Amino acid sequence: GAVVSQHPSRVICKSGTSVKIECRSLDFQATTMFWYRQFPKQSLMLMATSNEGSKATYEQGVEKDKFLINHASLTLSTLTVTSAHPEDSSFYICSAGTIQETQYFGPGTRLLVL
Amino acid sequence: LAKTTQPISMDSYEGQEVNITCSHNNIATNDYITWYQQFPSQGPRFIIQGYKTKVTNEVASLFIPADRKSSTLSLPRVSLSDTAVYYCLVAPYSSASKIIFGSGTRLSIRP
Repeated sequence: GAVVSQHPSRVICKSGTSVKIECRSLDFQATTMFWYRQFPKQSLMLMATSNEGSKATYEQGVEKDKFLINHASLTLSTLTVTSAHPEDSSFYICSAGTIQETQYFGPGTRLLVL
Repeated sequence: LAKTTQPISMDSYEGQEVNITCSHNNIATNDYITWYQQFPSQGPRFIIQGYKTKVTNEVASLFIPADRKSSTLSLPRVSLSDTAVYYCLVAPYSSASKIIFGSGTRLSIRP
């Protein structure tokens, strides 16, 4: 199946700083990528749909100015958590898929905000 | 988007066959059923996908009745390493279709 990578795998930052997480499709092009957040012992929650060359579509309740998404190429989408606070500490996961195929998920990025 | 309902947790023993059933009463005509497996601190891993009847691959089987309002993931001869959370998802067959995760089933395998 298709391979999706994320970088970094884990990051620790101070409160008030911004953190960028990268999601790459390694062996295919992805017009659409998705970003999820997962808190301990909970299911994945869809945050936004990342569309190559256009603005992301955010789910209800997700602050678009806080979670900046950029999908500048067909193999890379980035999620920037701006002015991070401890409550933003979570496991962030992206997904992508080839056309007419199911989605494949990245390994996730563990964010800890101190 | 079709809502799915699964048991919150299941327990079994090594070597047993495990069947996890998912209910999706409002599945749409163009929806496919996909199952993912997730280990702690990892992204979900694709297991199997189907539209109707039965699908089998090297790790699991998926049974879908004619009305498609439910599906059953069958794991043959489970091992300790199959302890994970299993998610049943229903969505159109397209990489552009967003997926909404339900609560999943936490499967625990004992020696």
